[in-house]
Parts: sequence; structure tokens; C-alpha cells
Amino acid sequence: GAGVSQSPSNKVTEKGKDVELRCDPISGHTALYWYRQRLGQGLEFLIYFQGNSAPDKSGLPSDRFSAERTGESVSTLTIQRTQQEDSAVYLCASRGQGYQPQHFGDGTRLSIL
Amino acid sequence: AQSVTQLDSQVPVFEEAPVELRCNYSSSVSVYLFWYVQYPNQGLQLLLKYLSGSTLVKGINGFEAEFNKSQTSFHLRKPSVHISDTAEYFCAVTPGGGSEKLVFGKGTKLTVNP
Repeated sequence: GAGVSQSPSNKVTEKGKDVELRCDPISGHTALYWYRQRLGQGLEFLIYFQGNSAPDKSGLPSDRFSAERTGESVSTLTIQRTQQEDSAVYLCASRGQGYQPQHFGDGTRLSIL
Repeated sequence: AQSVTQLDSQVPVFEEAPVELRCNYSSSVSVYLFWYVQYPNQGLQLLLKYLSGSTLVKGINGFEAEFNKSQTSFHLRKPSVHISDTAEYFCAVTPGGGSEKLVFGKGTKLTVNP
């Protein structure tokens, strides 16, 4: 079946603009995660959604970052007033019921000029 | 806080040679352990996972890893690598205690040379 889909694949924007990144999880997956990967670094956890429970936002680096998810469908990650240090690849992952591994999308490469 | 250490940032090897990519984690509780591979401009693909049971875990593409609780290690091995194994490899752990996020190491860039 279809995997995790992220859009856009690349985004270039000017410092100070807002950006919105989209993630379509695998159908039926109840859990959804956002990670950030800076150049030459591992992945940093940002936020986790599980069904209708309150999301785990413990990884969001500042109040400029927010994310939403409606039910078990699409999620959007929004970065307001972007800064150059926000340049990174933003990866989304989803996971099914029980203890299943996370499945990753190909990411959105965000470049802030 | 949970952390994952990948001791080698880069590992160059020749084709058909064996390879070991090292991973150590810090935890005193039960954890789940994973290795992911990332090819250029792609997302992460699961190579293998350890949840419980046998400490030797076999994954895709001929890779295997051994969970060593006393040494808090989960090293990845392949007896004979191919050019196509050139990629970045990430070790990850879920901290346990109900936490769902993955904590990643910084990655090891494996380069297989002819």
C-alpha cells in the first residue's frame, strides 16, 4: 500500500515568512510523529499524536512551531516567522496499532534564505 | 535523559568486506532498539528491530544486530557489503516507560568502495 506522503518535497522561503508542511500517514495508522533532521545530524523528535489523546509536544523547539492533526488523518506542521536555523529536513512518520515500528516519509527539505 | 551514541561518524570499507557499525545507548529500563537506513534524499527505512526475545536480530539486506544488555549496545553487522549499501545508518531507541518517541544517534555514514 501507499507509504507516508509528505509535501512539499522542497520549500525555499525568506526569513520571517510562515511555512506549512503536510504529512499524509499510512491509512489506519493511529500514531503520527514529526522529526527534524539538521545537516549532518540525527533526527530530533518534535511532536507525537496518538488518536484523540493530547499530543506530546515536548520536542517543539519554540512557540513558533505548532502542529495539528484531525483524527487519524493528515497532519500539518507550521513554523511561524522562520529563522535560518529552521533550515532542515522535516520528517514525518506513522505507526500502526500495538508495537509496530515507525514508517517514515521522504521528508520536506526546508531552506530559509 | 535517554541518549544514543554512534561511535563512528564515517566508516569506509571495500566491497565484500565485513562491517560493524557501533551503537550504545544509555538506559536502565527495558527499551526497544532499531536500526534505520537512509539513502540520499530519502526518508528512513527500517533495517531491523529488537523488541524482546532472541538477542540476535536479523533484518533486511543481510544485516543483523546483537542486543547486549550488560554493555547497553546494539551493534549492526554485515558479513559482506555491496556498493549499494552505501548510505547513512541510524540507531534509535524508544526510552520505555510509556514514551513513544524515538531517540536517534547522530548516524554513521557507510561508504563502500570498489
